[in-house]
Amino acid sequence: DIQMTQSPSSLSASVGDRVTITCRASQSISTYLNWYQQKPGKAPKLLIYAASSLQSGVPSRFRGSGSGTDFTLTISSLQREDFATYHCQQSYSSPGTFGQGTKVEIK
Amino acid sequence: QLQLQESGPGLVKPSETLSLTCTVSGGSISSATYYWGWIRQPPGKGLEWIGSIFYSGKTFYNPSLKSRVTISVDTSKNQFSLRLSSVTAADTAVYYCARRLEYLSARFDPWGQGTLVTVSS
Repeated sequence: DIQMTQSPSSLSASVGDRVTITCRASQSISTYLNWYQQKPGKAPKLLIYAASSLQSGVPSRFRGSGSGTDFTLTISSLQREDFATYHCQQSYSSPGTFGQGTKVEIK
Repeated sequence: QLQLQESGPGLVKPSETLSLTCTVSGGSISSATYYWGWIRQPPGKGLEWIGSIFYSGKTFYNPSLKSRVTISVDTSKNQFSLRLSSVTAADTAVYYCARRLEYLSARFDPWGQGTLVTVSS
């Protein structure tokens, strides 16, 4: 199975901050990488697919980039509603695997 | 818009079989564009894909669970179901159903709200 490693596991940030989360795959996955946002007690919500495509309805402050083994999710100006856990997921090979999640907390 | 809703027992005894159903509303499960999947999340842990099914009944499963998992579809009821046999405490998790789109990068959207299943005697 392809292992997905996110860093950091958690971070503290303030409203308006630029936030960057990294996801690294154990082997090359081209751009078969998706990002999800999960709020406490809620289901994950798709933010980004194919590494950099913004899902319909998702604010443009979310940006995904990367290819191969290294990927980044950037929130350009953190809003209060963005405090959540973020998960990456590879779909290059089965089984599709997820990262362990990155929790974004209020500083 | 499309909505998914999980249903089933919240408590299952060890060694027994976990059974959940996902009801799809606002769209047809018989679409040729999508698969339908199950994903779980143990308390405080990450997400794990369990398996997926096409409306025709074609399935594919996570090899780590394949020997214990069966996913089926009932197009007349717009539902698909999960059965996980011989459960242990390690199967305690929130179970989600979701639609899976294969185009470009296979992804899950939308998701059901999830249902907590606890394995305990």
